[in-house]
Amino acid sequence: AQSVTQLDSQVPVFEEAPVELRCNYSSSVSVYLFWYVQYPNQGLQLLLKYLSGSTLVESINGFEAEFNKSQTSFHLRKPSVHISDTAEYFCAVLNAGGTSYGKLTFGQGTILTVHP
Amino acid sequence: DVKVTQSSRYLVKRTGEKVFLECVQDMDHENMFWYRQDPGLGLRLIYFSYDVKMKEKGDIPEGYSVSREKKERFSLILESASTNQTSMYLCASSTHVPPYEQYFGPGTRLTVT
Repeated sequence: AQSVTQLDSQVPVFEEAPVELRCNYSSSVSVYLFWYVQYPNQGLQLLLKYLSGSTLVESINGFEAEFNKSQTSFHLRKPSVHISDTAEYFCAVLNAGGTSYGKLTFGQGTILTVHP
Repeated sequence: DVKVTQSSRYLVKRTGEKVFLECVQDMDHENMFWYRQDPGLGLRLIYFSYDVKMKEKGDIPEGYSVSREKKERFSLILESASTNQTSMYLCASSTHVPPYEQYFGPGTRLTVT
């Protein structure tokens, strides 16, 4: 079985400051890793994903995440946040092998609040 | 533009009522999922379906059932709603091949009184 732990339930930060949202996972097999974002009163949207290859992946709106296999982590970072980044962020893991049917295991979520 | 729609954004039901939540996707995806989202618990999988008429229990199936008669439609049924089923319900769909990227609907906020 796999599990995901998001180490911070809430992260308050000022506009233009850097931010890191932490995610650790446990799995006995190779995995795909995802970050989803949920803006207020909306469903989840995929922010970025790691499948294979380069361990650093980027989104179109300036977020990046680095897959660290030895530390089983997939932390999300942004060097300078905007008010519009205020949202809840979910880390998720998927078993890359076997018959997973694409089932995701989600972390508990981190609420990022950007203050002016 | 890919789309997953859910029949209601907000729903209020009474204890003991039978509740139907509908989800429709227009991407011809094989896999469909129902989650419930509660503060501090993230998303928990209730049921999923990998083909028409096929279904599998997720992590928290108790008190729920599902139906998938057509590929594009996946219904979640609360046979006898209870107050502890008050929650946000999210539907998602994905392809049946890697990387199985899931697309989510806007959610239904269900309140059971």
